[in-house]
Amino acid sequence: EPEVTQTPSHQVTQMGQEVILRCVPISNHLYFYWYRQILGQKVEFLVSFYNNEISEKSEIFDDQFSVERPDGSNFTLKIRSTKLEDSAMYFCARRSGRAHIEQFFGPGTRLTVL
Amino acid sequence: TQLLEQSPQFLSIQEGENLTVYCNSSSVFSSLQWYRQEPGEGPVLLVTVVTGGEVKKLKRLTFQFGDARKDSSLHITAAQPGDTGLYLCAGASMNRDDKIIFGKGTRLHILP
Repeated sequence: EPEVTQTPSHQVTQMGQEVILRCVPISNHLYFYWYRQILGQKVEFLVSFYNNEISEKSEIFDDQFSVERPDGSNFTLKIRSTKLEDSAMYFCARRSGRAHIEQFFGPGTRLTVL
Repeated sequence: TQLLEQSPQFLSIQEGENLTVYCNSSSVFSSLQWYRQEPGEGPVLLVTVVTGGEVKKLKRLTFQFGDARKDSSLHITAAQPGDTGLYLCAGASMNRDDKIIFGKGTRLHILP
């Protein structure tokens, strides 16, 4: 099955600015996830989102982060006031359904905070 | 805190050799996935194992889930240069299978 697509592929921003990363599902999936990977480090879970609600979030996902699916299609991750340490690859993943445990990842957005 | 330890971190071997990489934890997982990740790209799912002791084969790759569902191994037979890459294991929590924990990966380099 196809994964999701993500936009932009690369985002450069100044510290303190807001960024919105987008995940575009190929078909009408209900389960979405955001992960991040700081350069050279492991992939870290941020948040899971089911049926337009957060189902689980990690300690990384603080008040600076938010997720939503505003138009019922795109799934977005917003970082309100970016910090240097937010520089990372951000991956969106989707899951086929409750009975399916596999998660399929998008190509990622490389966020660079200057 | 659940952790997945992968070993070795780096492995460089000659084409045609066999190898095994490991993924270990003190925690029990409801399932475990193996991914392969190329530089600058997202992880690509190779396999999911669910049952303790389960063995799955994907061409020359053999994946095994430990009986206690705390560990897993990936065995590659007759490695080829195309197998070069970063191999990640990721476990789903017993209670909340939405949250996947990744290991740091094994970087494999197959020399022609």
